[in-house]
Amino acid sequence: GQNIDQPTEMTATEGAIVQINCTYQTSGFNGLFWYQQHAGEAPTFLSYNVLDGLEEKGRFSSFLSRSKGYSYLLLKELQMKDSASYLCAPQDSNYQLIWGAGTKLIIKP
Amino acid sequence: DAMVIQNPRYQVTQFGKPVTLSCSQTLNHNVMYWYQQKSSQAPKLLFHYYDKDFNNEADTPDNFQSRRPNTSFCFLDIRSPGLGDAAMYLCATSIEVSGANVLTFGAGSRLTVL
Repeated sequence: GQNIDQPTEMTATEGAIVQINCTYQTSGFNGLFWYQQHAGEAPTFLSYNVLDGLEEKGRFSSFLSRSKGYSYLLLKELQMKDSASYLCAPQDSNYQLIWGAGTKLIIKP
Repeated sequence: DAMVIQNPRYQVTQFGKPVTLSCSQTLNHNVMYWYQQKSSQAPKLLFHYYDKDFNNEADTPDNFQSRRPNTSFCFLDIRSPGLGDAAMYLCATSIEVSGANVLTFGAGSRLTVL
């Protein structure tokens, strides 16, 4: 079966760095997405990785290891507005997104 | 601004009373999706359209139907809502179904069933 595993909840301090891990098992693989979802709102696109390695985009970076079925999202210089859920979503061989339940990130002052 | 617009944002209905949710897009994207998302859960794909080709997920109940009369509009019909259908319904669009298939979501329609 297809499975996504990411922590349910994490807490971090404003200004710090946090890493949100995601492990996945899918039928084939065609890249992995990270989306941010604020409470009561729709998901918004953060990043896409299809090759191994680190993709950096401002304060956010995303890493992929296809051989390990592993990705992480790294958030630097945390701000209060980063409090949200972060959803990991790999694409399977049919280009169907397999969504994780998300990691709720709580930022404390 | 090009965007995905969902109406209504909040819908309250009674058990068994049909509901229609609408989605419109100005992005001219080929693909439109309907997702159901319950609190603290992953979005669940109900169906999607590639142009006029309809693709129903195997586990989507018959109670859920969809229409896409043209490129810009898509509707979700819930024929007889049950208490378990209370959720956020998300419409999303994308240019294609393959590659770096970035989805653009609407703000969602939150359905309450009394």
